[in-house]
Amino acid sequence: DVKVTQSSRYLVKRTGEKVFLECVQDMDHENMFWYRQDPGLGLRLIYFSYDVKMKEKGDIPEGYSVSREKKERFSLILESASTNQTSMYLCASSFSHAGYEQYFGPGTRLTVT
Amino acid sequence: GENVEQHPSTLSVQEGDSAVIKCTYSDSASNYFPWYKQELGKRPQLIIDIRSNVGEKKDQRIAVTLNKTAKHFSLHITETQPEDSAVYFCAASSPAAGNKLTFGGGTRVLVKP
Repeated sequence: DVKVTQSSRYLVKRTGEKVFLECVQDMDHENMFWYRQDPGLGLRLIYFSYDVKMKEKGDIPEGYSVSREKKERFSLILESASTNQTSMYLCASSFSHAGYEQYFGPGTRLTVT
Repeated sequence: GENVEQHPSTLSVQEGDSAVIKCTYSDSASNYFPWYKQELGKRPQLIIDIRSNVGEKKDQRIAVTLNKTAKHFSLHITETQPEDSAVYFCAASSPAAGNKLTFGGGTRVLVKP
């Protein structure tokens, strides 16, 4: 059974703080993804990675960076958190071939005050 | 890049009735169209998908249809039950984008007993 876990379910940070969100998967998936979910906007891709140390920008990368030092772990970094980054953040993973199911983590609800 | 629009944003149906959600996509090269269901407070999960070489696919009470010419695809839920209440997301992927999905804005379905 695929398991994707995220480091926190709820997080409250102050404006300007550096924030780390971590995602771990146990299925040896090559691809990993970070999305943010906002009402009415669906799931918007921030960054994705198709291999260790590889990353590609998604649709809304501004204000974010990522790190993938190990295959099972993908981190999202907010260099200087802002209130407009208050959102639900979802991590996902999948095998490398196009059209494979993405497995999602439980999400981290981040509030920036 | 790909753009996916989803309608309606909310849908209220009586238990036992059918529900239909429609999505349109912009990239004619897209060839993989999954649907995800997200129950309240839970992670999105794949419920059905269709590839561009198929016009229709069924799985018990759910079915998906694809019209490549018109670039739209739809999710049909028959004999709706209270447990079908959730947010549903459509998505599209093209070969050039690998396993990167572009999601629609979501449809909140409420099944009234």
